[in-house]
Amino acid sequence: SQKIEQNSEALNIQEGKTATLTCNYTNYSPAYLQWYRQDPGRGPVFLLLIRENEKEKRKERLKVTFDTTLKQSLFHITASQPADSATYLCALNDYKLSFGAGTTVTVRA
Amino acid sequence: NAGVTQTPKFQVLKTGQSMTLQCAQDMNHEYMSWYRQDPGMGLRLIHYSVGAGITDQGEVPNGYNVSRSTTEDFPLRLLSAAPSQTSVYFCASSYGGGPTYNSPLHFGNGTRLTVT
Repeated sequence: SQKIEQNSEALNIQEGKTATLTCNYTNYSPAYLQWYRQDPGRGPVFLLLIRENEKEKRKERLKVTFDTTLKQSLFHITASQPADSATYLCALNDYKLSFGAGTTVTVRA
Repeated sequence: NAGVTQTPKFQVLKTGQSMTLQCAQDMNHEYMSWYRQDPGMGLRLIHYSVGAGITDQGEVPNGYNVSRSTTEDFPLRLLSAAPSQTSVYFCASSYGGGPTYNSPLHFGNGTRLTVT
């Protein structure tokens, strides 16, 4: 099965800056990749899905890229706000959805 | 719509006790699943179901049982609780055949279980 690695467990940034999160996988490239947001004490909430033939996907201040050559997805939060503080999970499809351990983002005002 | 509802929110068990974690969804989703979340390890799939009467094992099924008698409900049973089962458990559902069919998961808010 896939091994999924997300960059450092924690990312602290200043309000207004761009947060960039990395998701690397080891085996075959999945047909698509998903990103979720998880707040403390809550279940993950779906944010974005990107297909293997899509280079980039945007939703409001969020941008996701998918590079099957590098076996990597980048997740960007532009013009970050304190309300963006949460843990972000990437997930790849197999016969199931395999999740990374997540990156916790803290946006300082 | 309430989405995915899990009960209880918190539970403390003694080693050897059994219990059932409840999960219900009102979105008419065919696919339902149970994950456990442990610090630093991400979400790991325990069991899943692609429809009523159909269940299958995930990557960490030992010590857990499931059944799916209706589309709405997917309970998770701990047969004889062990301290290693201390975790946060999430139920999730999705439209159609599930993640392999390009459908995002809808999660409940979890049950925090402690086994002493």
